[in-house]
Amino acid sequence: KQEVTQIPAALSVPEGENLVLNCSFTDSAIYNLQWFRQDPGKGLTSLLLIQSSQREQTSGRLNASLDKSSGRSTLYIAASQPGDSATYLCAAGMDSSYKLIFGSGTRLLVRP
Amino acid sequence: DAMVIQNPRYQVTQFGKPVTLSCSQTLNHNVMYWYQQKSSQAPKLLFHYYDKDFNNEADTPDNFQSRRPNTSFCFLDIRSPGLGDAAMYLCATSRGEATLREPQHFGDGTRLSIL
Repeated sequence: KQEVTQIPAALSVPEGENLVLNCSFTDSAIYNLQWFRQDPGKGLTSLLLIQSSQREQTSGRLNASLDKSSGRSTLYIAASQPGDSATYLCAAGMDSSYKLIFGSGTRLLVRP
Repeated sequence: DAMVIQNPRYQVTQFGKPVTLSCSQTLNHNVMYWYQQKSSQAPKLLFHYYDKDFNNEADTPDNFQSRRPNTSFCFLDIRSPGLGDAAMYLCATSRGEATLREPQHFGDGTRLSIL
């Protein structure tokens, strides 16, 4: 049974800092790994999707990496801004049943 | 240009009183999902539709049911809500082609409170 873990649960950094969010999963037989952002009281916004055959994806200041063999993914945020404050969730895309297994998220606060 | 729309944003119901949450999409996606998310927890998949094919998760309580009358709309029915059903309910869609090669698109959710 796939389990997805995100550590730390919360993170507070000063504006401008580069930071890394961590995601680990127990079953390496994934189709993809997705990162989402969730603002308070809102739904999820897709940030990056890494296919199982890929090692990383980049979008603007965001870079996500995937290491299936070690069961890990990281989300790198460069030059963080207060507007980046949100909860970041990773999710493992499993088999062709379209199922996503989510982690509990890392709550990020970027202080001005 | 909202693509996945959930109504209402906030719903209050009484213990045991049936409630229906709705979701509509303008993306013409084949797959629609319902997730339950409790405070500071991971979203948990309840069920999904691929077109008209309904797929229930093994641990989804019988109290929860869903309907998809057409491509655009999907409903979540809670027959007899208990206090433990208070949560954010998220609807999502995906095109459903090429096995998970694209992200799911989420609505803003409906926050359900039980009195």
